[in-house]
Amino acid sequence: DAGVTQSPTHLIKTRGQQVTLRCSPKSGHDTVSWYQQALGQGPQFIFQYYEEEERQRGNFPDRFSGHQFPNYSSELNVNALLLGDSALYLCASSSFTGTPSSYEQYFGPGTRLTVT
Amino acid sequence: GQQLNQSPQSMFIQEGEDVSMNCTSSSIFNTWLWYKQEPGEGPVLLIALYKAGELTSNGRLTAQFGITRKDSFLNISASIPSDVGIYFCAGRADSNYQLIWGAGTKLIIKP
Repeated sequence: DAGVTQSPTHLIKTRGQQVTLRCSPKSGHDTVSWYQQALGQGPQFIFQYYEEEERQRGNFPDRFSGHQFPNYSSELNVNALLLGDSALYLCASSSFTGTPSSYEQYFGPGTRLTVT
Repeated sequence: GQQLNQSPQSMFIQEGEDVSMNCTSSSIFNTWLWYKQEPGEGPVLLIALYKAGELTSNGRLTAQFGITRKDSFLNISASIPSDVGIYFCAGRADSNYQLIWGAGTKLIIKP
């Protein structure tokens, strides 16, 4: 049973460029959340996708956008990259069942983005 | 962004010692989750808590959902070398899908 997978593992981009990160949820999960984790800090919520719609968004600018596909996989796009966007980007999946376990999120290994 | 207050920031312990850490919030939460993260990996879910006063164990780990719903505690008994890593608390408020995270407690085993 595959867990959450993310690609690529590492990425180096230049300021001003655009980047796309990809995530495949754990088998049986239908909800994907994206987080940004700076070095030495806890993850910060970017947004959550459910039924191909952005269900909730954290305090991130519009340069951060996403998409969820019919197979529940998801992409995170970041435009006009800034040095401060350098971080570990984590994808988490969950299964929306209407029970408390809906809020248990399972994480992939992350994509390490470096902006130079 | 918003963060929970997690303490201590780091702990240096001897193998076999018990460990305690806690997390507090200024807001009421409906869900508390505890995760462990090791270098180069994503956080791994350890324990999930859903009711005030709830006490849940996972092997040598025990976590509690505080009565005020504004705090949570994690205890590790008889620590072993593989317990090293960073432990995070995460909370969820009502009518919210996002998890709010603490800054982590780094556990180091003294040789």
